[in-house]
Amino acid sequence: NAGVTQTPKFRVLKTGQSMTLLCAQDMNHEYMYWYRQDPGMGLRLIHYSVGEGTTAKGEVPDGYNVSRLKKQNFLLGLESAAPSQTSVYFCASSPLGRERETQYFGPGTRLLVL
Amino acid sequence: LAKTTQPISMDSYEGQEVNITCSHNNIATNDYITWYQQFPSQGPRFIIQGYKTKVTNEVASLFIPADRKSSTLSLPRVSLSDTAVYYCLVGETGGYNKLIFGAGTRLAVHP
Repeated sequence: NAGVTQTPKFRVLKTGQSMTLLCAQDMNHEYMYWYRQDPGMGLRLIHYSVGEGTTAKGEVPDGYNVSRLKKQNFLLGLESAAPSQTSVYFCASSPLGRERETQYFGPGTRLLVL
Repeated sequence: LAKTTQPISMDSYEGQEVNITCSHNNIATNDYITWYQQFPSQGPRFIIQGYKTKVTNEVASLFIPADRKSSTLSLPRVSLSDTAVYYCLVGETGGYNKLIFGAGTRLAVHP
């Protein structure tokens, strides 16, 4: 049981390049989330999903797109990377029901945009 | 979603009890209070959750007064490994759970 995994762990992009971050969970959770964390700051919600085939915007969705084609995977895409998107990206998942306030986080992806 | 206020930082020494208080004046009836811990270069980790009164687990205790406008995370006998950032969050039980993370409280435990 690996929990929540993220790929890649670290990436360097040039301005204007695109990339996709992959999040996978093996806990059969309904909800999945993407956050970004800038240095010294708390996490900010980018997008989230309440089930396979559904996505919704969070606090800071601009510049990002997401897809949830399979229940266990949640993809975060950057179509045209900008230096302001340099951050650490965390994926999380949570179950339905009363426990959905408890989110399980992945180890993070460090992204540097030059 | 309710907004929370916590101290930016705290210092303690090994073996002491640490209490971190969080204010959430606009907490809604269905909101639960949840605390997460984050070590450098890691994702946040769930510590404890409660709705009212007191909750205790193997890691910490959570004290919630009757009006629920604040809560206190208590870490008994801290060690150096408890040095981390601690986040207090409140969330609705209905609908999607869009957690709002503040800056958290940076706890530094000294030898």
